[in-house]
Amino acid sequence: EPEVTQTPSHQVTQMGQEVILRCVPISNHLYFYWYRQILGQKVEFLVSFYNNEISEKSEIFDDQFSVERPDGSNFTLKIRSTKLEDSAMYFCASSDWETQYFGPGTRLLVL
Amino acid sequence: GESVGLHLPTLSVQEGDNSIINCAYSNSASDYFIWYKQESGKGPQFIIDIRSNMDKRQGQRVTVLLNKTVKHLSLQIAATQPGDSAVYFCAENLSIQGAQKLVFGQGTRLTINP
Repeated sequence: EPEVTQTPSHQVTQMGQEVILRCVPISNHLYFYWYRQILGQKVEFLVSFYNNEISEKSEIFDDQFSVERPDGSNFTLKIRSTKLEDSAMYFCASSDWETQYFGPGTRLLVL
Repeated sequence: GESVGLHLPTLSVQEGDNSIINCAYSNSASDYFIWYKQESGKGPQFIIDIRSNMDKRQGQRVTVLLNKTVKHLSLQIAATQPGDSAVYFCAENLSIQGAQKLVFGQGTRLTINP
């Protein structure tokens, strides 16, 4: 069964450093998403992406965040200058329309 | 508004019993809802979905009920098993000018007692 994959599974970084989180969506899906989940809290929407552009973004997704689909299979989330409060699980999801399927997540820890 | 809320943060049931997890939503225009299961250290796993033109939908051991009048969703799990222990989230799909996003509730932690 096709699934969304994410790398790395864990990432530790220093405050102010740039990180890139990578995702490989399900191959025939056209819609891509990033969500985050701070420890013990609910999953929060960050951004949706379709046809090589952002469809919608939340207020969390400020200028420090960017997304890219550099090739036909990868979908990345970049945080330019990480802050302590960026520590969270980051989930990638993809869909062919409404039903979104999630990856296993990347646990980001900013020190 | 865009809030989706859950009535109980934790639920414990005996193995083999049925469990019911509840969820309230606030956006009366929402027309698509999904239940996800999240095991420790993993991503949300799709369980079942329902559209607003339905009151009930059944899957394997799971049933989702939708009451649009009171804006309430429930997930029923029959004959619970140890593997059902997880956090369960309801999510409301919001579609704005073709862009989709999910609004998640806080989650209910389901514990299955042997």
